[in-house]
Formats: sequence, C-alpha cells, structure tokens
Amino acid sequence: GENVEQHPSTLSVQEGDSAVIKCTYSDSASNYFPWYKQELGKRPQLIIDIRSNVGEKKDQRIAVTLNKTAKHFSLHITETQPEDSAVYFCAGRDATLGRLYFGRGTQLTVWP
Amino acid sequence: EAQVTQNPRYLITVTGKKLTVTCSQNMNHEYMSWYRQDPGLGLRQIYYSMNVEVTDKGDVPEGYKVSRKEKRNFPLILESPSPNQTSLYFCASSFGQSGEKLFFGSGTQLSVL
Repeated sequence: GENVEQHPSTLSVQEGDSAVIKCTYSDSASNYFPWYKQELGKRPQLIIDIRSNVGEKKDQRIAVTLNKTAKHFSLHITETQPEDSAVYFCAGRDATLGRLYFGRGTQLTVWP
Repeated sequence: EAQVTQNPRYLITVTGKKLTVTCSQNMNHEYMSWYRQDPGLGLRQIYYSMNVEVTDKGDVPEGYKVSRKEKRNFPLILESPSPNQTSLYFCASSFGQSGEKLFFGSGTQLSVL
C-alpha cells in the first residue's frame, strides 16, 4: 500500500512569516492528495486538496504544490496568523484500493 | 445542518466488555470510514464502507468490527476491548465512493482499563 511521510513534525514561525510542510509518497499511481487541519480538541477539517493532473492549487493564503516525478507535495501558508496554529495532516490516496493514507502530522505554532 | 454525529464523546470501559460507538451522517454520503488517532502516529484507517452492505478493512482492523445496514449509520464494534485500543476515534463520511473531501465527526475518546 501507499506510505506517506510528513516533515517536519513540529514547526514554529513568527506571525506574518510563511510556513511550508512537506510530504512524500511511495506509490507513483496515487492520484489525490488532501490536507487537513486539526485545531486543538477539534475534528480534522479539509483545507485544500489537489489531484495528480494538477501541479499547483491556491486558496487565499494557502497553496499546495505537487511534484509527481519526485513524489512529493507541499502545503504553503503565507502571512501566517495565530489562528493558523494547529496540527496539519497530509494524505495520499492509493489509486488501486482507493484508500487514504495519512502522514503523521505537523504541529504548527504561529507566535504573535 | 450537515453533520457527522458520533456517540459517545467519551467512554471509559474495562478489558473484555463489548462496546459500540455509533456514527450517523445526514448528508446521504455513500462513503463512511473509521479512523483512530494516536499521538505521533497520525490518523490510521480501521474500516471503510463505499456503500450499504459493502465494508473493507483499512490499515488496523484487528479487534474491530463494523456494519453498514443503512446508508446513514456506520457503527464501530469492539467485541473484546483491550488497553491497546485506548485511542481517539473519528468517524468520517464523503460523497461518492472515492473517500475525497471527508467530513469528520467530533471524535470519541476511548479508554480501556
């Protein structure tokens, strides 16, 4: 099955700076890559996703880039704010089984 | 309001005492899934269902059972809970059968003593 690795496990940035979280995947046939945000004590919520036929997708301060050749994708958050502080999970979907495999998460802390 | 409802939110039980965690969604979603979340391990899939009467194992199915008799409900059953099943459990659902754009429930914190 698919194996998704996520780095770093923790990330601290100053408010207004950018944050980048990277994930790699093992199955070159994987075709869908979502990112979920989980605030403390809350449920994970989808913030952005990308399909394998697209290289980049943006939504306001959030963007995701995908490099199929290198089998990695990244989440970029610009102009970070304290409310961006949360755990972020990447995931990849196994094209054969249709199952999502999650990374282990990145705790992002944005300092005012 | 569109939602995925899990019950209970918190549960403390003892080893071997059968329990069921319920999950219900009101969005007419075909896909439903259970995950467990443990510190440092992220979200791991236990079981999933692409439609009524169709269920499949995820990454960590041992010790769990599920059923999908109705489209809206997807209960998680622990026949004989053990301490290593102490975890935070999430139910999730999505439109279609692809598992994209998951809506998660509020979670169930289970402690097995």
